[in-house]
Amino acid sequence: DAKTTQPNSMESNEEEPVHLPCNHSTISGTDYIHWYRQLPSQGPEYVIHGLTSNVNNRMASLAIAEDRKSSTLILHRATLRDAAVYYCILRLRGETSYDKVIFGPGTSLSVIP
Amino acid sequence: NAGVTQTPKFRVLKTGQSMTLLCAQDMNHEYMYWYRQDPGMGLRLIHYSVGEGTTAKGEVPDGYNVSRLKKQNFLLGLESAAPSQTSVYFCASSVRETQYFGPGTRLLVL
Repeated sequence: DAKTTQPNSMESNEEEPVHLPCNHSTISGTDYIHWYRQLPSQGPEYVIHGLTSNVNNRMASLAIAEDRKSSTLILHRATLRDAAVYYCILRLRGETSYDKVIFGPGTSLSVIP
Repeated sequence: NAGVTQTPKFRVLKTGQSMTLLCAQDMNHEYMYWYRQDPGMGLRLIHYSVGEGTTAKGEVPDGYNVSRLKKQNFLLGLESAAPSQTSVYFCASSVRETQYFGPGTRLLVL
């Protein structure tokens, strides 16, 4: 199964952009890249996902490398509320369940006021 | 919509005691999941269900049982609690691309 690797932790100053990297060198052509985040003492929440093209939504942007072996979650202006653990996971296109998805340790983002 | 709710929020058990964690979702999702999360680790799948009346084992099923008698509810049971089952338990449901998580249940087994 394709897996992802992320830095254990990152720091950012408040109101500055944050780029959270994820490597997935064994990704297959039918894997979607998903990002979730987990705020302290809460369950994870969906952030964004994409296949090949860059994606934007109200929470973040997802930049996917041309060879799809890496991706970057971009928070345009970090706020204190963005301090969380960010998970990068892969899901097979057409897969309807999350039973084969692996949530690794993720990246713990600290935001400095 | 309440989304995914979990009961109780926190519980202390003694070794050997039993308990049931309740997960409820009001989004009419087919798929539901139970995870555990230990310090510094990601989520590990315990059991999951692809529909009412069905259940399947995940990565770490030993010591747990589950039931999905109604579509909206997914129960996780510990028949004889052990200190190794001290953890935070998350329930989730999913539809297509997105998984929705509950707020978690903190369980301490002494």
